[in-house]
Amino acid sequence: EIVLTQSPGTLSLSPGERATLSCRASQSVSSRSLAWYQQKPGQAPRLLIHGASSRATGIPDRFSGSGSGTDFTLTISRLEPEDFAVYYCQQYGSSPWTFGQGTKVEIK
Amino acid sequence: QVQLQESGPGLVKPSETLSLTCTVSGGSISSYYWSWVRQSPGKGLEWIGYIYSSGSTNYNPSLNSRVTMSIDTSKNQFSLKVSSVTAADTAVYYCARGQILCDYWGQGTLVTVSS
Repeated sequence: EIVLTQSPGTLSLSPGERATLSCRASQSVSSRSLAWYQQKPGQAPRLLIHGASSRATGIPDRFSGSGSGTDFTLTISRLEPEDFAVYYCQQYGSSPWTFGQGTKVEIK
Repeated sequence: QVQLQESGPGLVKPSETLSLTCTVSGGSISSYYWSWVRQSPGKGLEWIGYIYSSGSTNYNPSLNSRVTMSIDTSKNQFSLKVSSVTAADTAVYYCARGQILCDYWGQGTLVTVSS
């Protein structure tokens, strides 16, 4: 199965700053089949990005995804207070679908 | 607005079977895929499998021999069974709509495996 490694583990930033999160796959993810989810404490994950760069319905344009092959990036252009959460990448190009271990974006 | 709600025992003894039901409201369960995902401190998020409204299924091979999913379209419910559980099956279990990309999720239910 494809192993996803996210970095950094924790990102300490201030509101208004730019956040760059990385997701690296142990083998190439076919057809850019990579998604990003946001999870807040006590809540279920929320789909942000699919197809590596397509925003899900209702997701603000400050969230953007890029990458292909084994390296993918989620960028939050200007952090809003509600963006401080844990972010997970997920690959669905090869069964079983797998998730990264998460990056926590915390308030500095 | 589609809503999903997990229900079932919060405590299961080792070697027994974990059983959960997800009730869908605000929309029909027909013509959609429905998934189960779990989250534990040790393993993070783990895809368990999905079921289509016709009853066809696909399970994570790591759990394949112990997992059974079913669906009852008349009740707008689908279910998960995990047999021969151990402490490693302790997790928050989520039900969700979707085969791969899940747009609606339940709030999650904590299942603890302990004697």
